Amino acid sequence: QAVVTQEPSLTVSPGGTVTLTCGSSTGAVTSGHYPFWFQQKAGQAPRTLIYDTGNRHSWTPARFSGSLLGDKAALTLSGAQPEDEAEYYCLLSYSGGLHVFGTGTKVTVL
Amino acid sequence: QVQLQESGPGLVKPSDTLSLTCAVSGYSISSNRWWGWIRQPPGKGLEWIGYVYYSGITYYNPSLKSRVTMSVDTSKNEFSLKLSSVTAEDTAVYYCARHMDVWGKGTTVTVSS
Repeated sequence: QAVVTQEPSLTVSPGGTVTLTCGSSTGAVTSGHYPFWFQQKAGQAPRTLIYDTGNRHSWTPARFSGSLLGDKAALTLSGAQPEDEAEYYCLLSYSGGLHVFGTGTKVTVL
Repeated sequence: QVQLQESGPGLVKPSDTLSLTCAVSGYSISSNRWWGWIRQPPGKGLEWIGYVYYSGITYYNPSLKSRVTMSVDTSKNEFSLKLSSVTAEDTAVYYCARHMDVWGKGTTVTVSS
């Protein structure tokens, strides 16, 4: 089964920009993996931010954007706010209907 | 407004079967969407368990496939998860989701005698 890897932790200054990445042990991440990104704050259920690489939901702040960066999926937070401090997970889709979550990135706004 | 609500026993004995239901409101489960289950052990990351289409088509995580059954009840607008032969490693918060945009709040299941 594929392993999906994310940075364990990242720190960003208020108002700053940070990019999280999501890599696959099977090779390059492409749009065919339909990358999702989720935000999970302490004690809460996850919330979906991005689907299909770079599409925001109606509730997703515009400061979050998704893309492909090299051979990985990426989530960029531009203009970080204190309320963006959370754990972030990606999810990739594989053949046969399999989905695998990333290992998660803890983002600190400091 | 679409809402999902998990329900089921909070405590399950080892070797028993864990059974959870996800009630969907504000949206027909028979619409063209997949319905999924995800879990999160204490202090750990998210694990995709699988998903089910309203017609009954299912896809499961290979690591759990031998123990998992998912189904849909269109008359009640809900879907369910059964996980057999549970051990302490199945202790987790279990989430249901409309794949993958709307999530339930999650329900904690502890496996212990």
